[in-house]
Amino acid sequence: QAVVTQEPSLTVSPGGTVTLTCGSSTGPVTSGHHPHWFQQRPGQAPRTLIYDISNKHSWSPVRFSGSLLGGKAALTLSGAQPEDEADYYCILSYDNTRPIFGGGTKLTVL
Amino acid sequence: DVQLVESGGDLVQTGRSLRLSCRAFGFLFDEYSMTWVRQAPGKGLEWLGFIRAEADGGTTQYAASVKGRFTISRDDFYNIVYLQMDTLKSDDTGVYYCARVRRGFSFGVPGDYWGQGTLVTVSS
Repeated sequence: QAVVTQEPSLTVSPGGTVTLTCGSSTGPVTSGHHPHWFQQRPGQAPRTLIYDISNKHSWSPVRFSGSLLGGKAALTLSGAQPEDEADYYCILSYDNTRPIFGGGTKLTVL
Repeated sequence: DVQLVESGGDLVQTGRSLRLSCRAFGFLFDEYSMTWVRQAPGKGLEWLGFIRAEADGGTTQYAASVKGRFTISRDDFYNIVYLQMDTLKSDDTGVYYCARVRRGFSFGVPGDYWGQGTLVTVSS
């Protein structure tokens, strides 16, 4: 079974920019993996921020963007706010197998 | 407004069964596939399985960790998706979330809306 990897933790300064990545043990992440990104604030349910690489929902803050970068899926936060401190998860879909979550990145805004 | 409300979480003994429900509001439930995700205490998210919309066959797919023990079903009249959990183990302890899959998306990935979760505790 594939393993989906994320940075365990990252820190960003208020107003700063940070990029979280999501890699696959099977090789480069492509559009065929349909990467999605989720935000989970402490004590809350997850919410979907980004789907299919870079698409946003109406509730997704403009400061978040998704892309493919260097063979990985990437979530970039530009202009970090205190409320962005949360856990972030990606998920990748694999043909004929089950979707797999990454281990999550704990983002600290400090 | 779209809303997903889980229920049925409880404290149960090892080896027993439990059924979770997720009731949907505010959208045409029968047009969407639905998925279940869990989170063990202090851990990350784990995809459990999903059920396709009836128009897509109503079939199910499960994670290897729960296949054969967990069963997902749906009632499109009452707009409910169920997670039947059998032979429960202590490792099944966690918060269980249902989520909606984006319409027409063939992979059972949480596409937009999530429920608030329901806590299952399995103890001997």
